[in-house]
Amino acid sequence: ELKVEQNPLFLSMQEGKNYTIYCNYSTTSDRLYWYRQDPGKSLESLFVLLSNGAVKQEGRLMASLDTKARLSTLHITAAVHDLSATYFCAVDPRPAGKSTFGDGTTLTVKP
Amino acid sequence: NAGVTQTPKFRVLKTGQSMTLLCAQDMNHEYMYWYRQDPGMGLRLIHYSVGEGTTAKGEVPDGYNVSRLKKQNFLLGLESAAPSQTSVYFCASSYQGSTDTQYFGPGTRLTVL
Repeated sequence: ELKVEQNPLFLSMQEGKNYTIYCNYSTTSDRLYWYRQDPGKSLESLFVLLSNGAVKQEGRLMASLDTKARLSTLHITAAVHDLSATYFCAVDPRPAGKSTFGDGTTLTVKP
Repeated sequence: NAGVTQTPKFRVLKTGQSMTLLCAQDMNHEYMYWYRQDPGMGLRLIHYSVGEGTTAKGEVPDGYNVSRLKKQNFLLGLESAAPSQTSVYFCASSYQGSTDTQYFGPGTRLTVL
């Protein structure tokens, strides 16, 4: 059974600081996704990582994938309040179609 | 282009009642999914479909049935609702499978008393 673990589960940080969210998974996979969810809202796709060493960046967020270590990171640079949300990683092992989600990391950025 | 829509947005059921949740997408996507999200947890896959007329079980399929009679619609049915099925249900779709971004609907908040 695939297990996906995120840490930390809760993160409070000040504006302007950097931090990293970690996503570990237990089964071989080269497909990993990051999503954002605002309170009471739906999920929005942030990144799709499809190979070992994949790195994608959008604004202050950068995601990477190390399939050998079964680890993905979501790095936040110079956090701003608008980044406050819950971030989920999800892993899709072969055969395709059955994503398993982590429990999410709730990020609060304080002035 | 409405994306992914879900009907209804809210529903309260009594134990034993039945209902159907409707998901519709106008992006011509092949893959569609139903997830449930419980407080403090990530999403868990209930059922999914890789194309019109096909369905497959996900991680937590018990107590639910699905149908994909038309490519744009994916229905989730609860035949005899139980309090354990109180949750927020999200539908999603993607053009192909796991190499593509999933687009999520706004969710249906279901309470079973």
